[in-house]
Amino acid sequence: QVQLVQSGAEVKEPGASVKVSCQASGYTFTDFYIHWVRQAPGQGLECMGWVNPNTGGTNYAQKFQGRVTLTRDTSITTAYMDMSGLTSDDTAVYFCMRGSHRVSVAGPVGDYWGQGTLVSVSS
Amino acid sequence: DVLMTQSPLSLPVTLGQPASISCRSSQSLVFGDGNTYLNWFQQRPGQSPRRLIYKVSNRDSGVPDRFSGSGSGTDFTLKISRVEAEDVGIYYCMQGTQWPFTFGQGTRLEIK
Repeated sequence: QVQLVQSGAEVKEPGASVKVSCQASGYTFTDFYIHWVRQAPGQGLECMGWVNPNTGGTNYAQKFQGRVTLTRDTSITTAYMDMSGLTSDDTAVYFCMRGSHRVSVAGPVGDYWGQGTLVSVSS
Repeated sequence: DVLMTQSPLSLPVTLGQPASISCRSSQSLVFGDGNTYLNWFQQRPGQSPRRLIYKVSNRDSGVPDRFSGSGSGTDFTLKISRVEAEDVGIYYCMQGTQWPFTFGQGTRLEIK
């Protein structure tokens, strides 16, 4: 069965960086995009960016450009979201989500989600 | 960015009664391949979102048939034929046609 398993909760100070992992299993990792979605406390869902596990190609929502880096390690079928310059506004649950088949980023995304990783930013 | 606007934002429903959520996009969601990548998600308290509907009207595996999606272009609807207690949660529409993908604000369904 398809699973996306994320790393555990993090507590960071303002200005620090955080790296969240998302390990995929149950399907061919390089066949599907991985997206990252953020949800601040009590708020809605916001797409941050995607990585193509096959090519390593990435794209980011403008809001996160320059502060977020998405990578992957195909040998361990894991995607990573690295965010720098954390502020209290970055306190949120971060989800990875399976995207469409590698032919195109557009498509029927979101059939599988990770369990979410809470990142808390506080001094 | 494509703006997704849901209504209502709060939806109190009596058990066994129907419910309907509207989602409008600021641009057509028809992709170059002719498909419309409009999805509906349910998020129960403390859980990850779960996809219910993809490509406007296709139900995901395991989703009860009381859930249905319809619409075209910029105007879409999620309907629940008879609301059950387990349907409580927040419902989001999301477009997967144009990057960055965007979600509606969410509709909170509660039992009256």
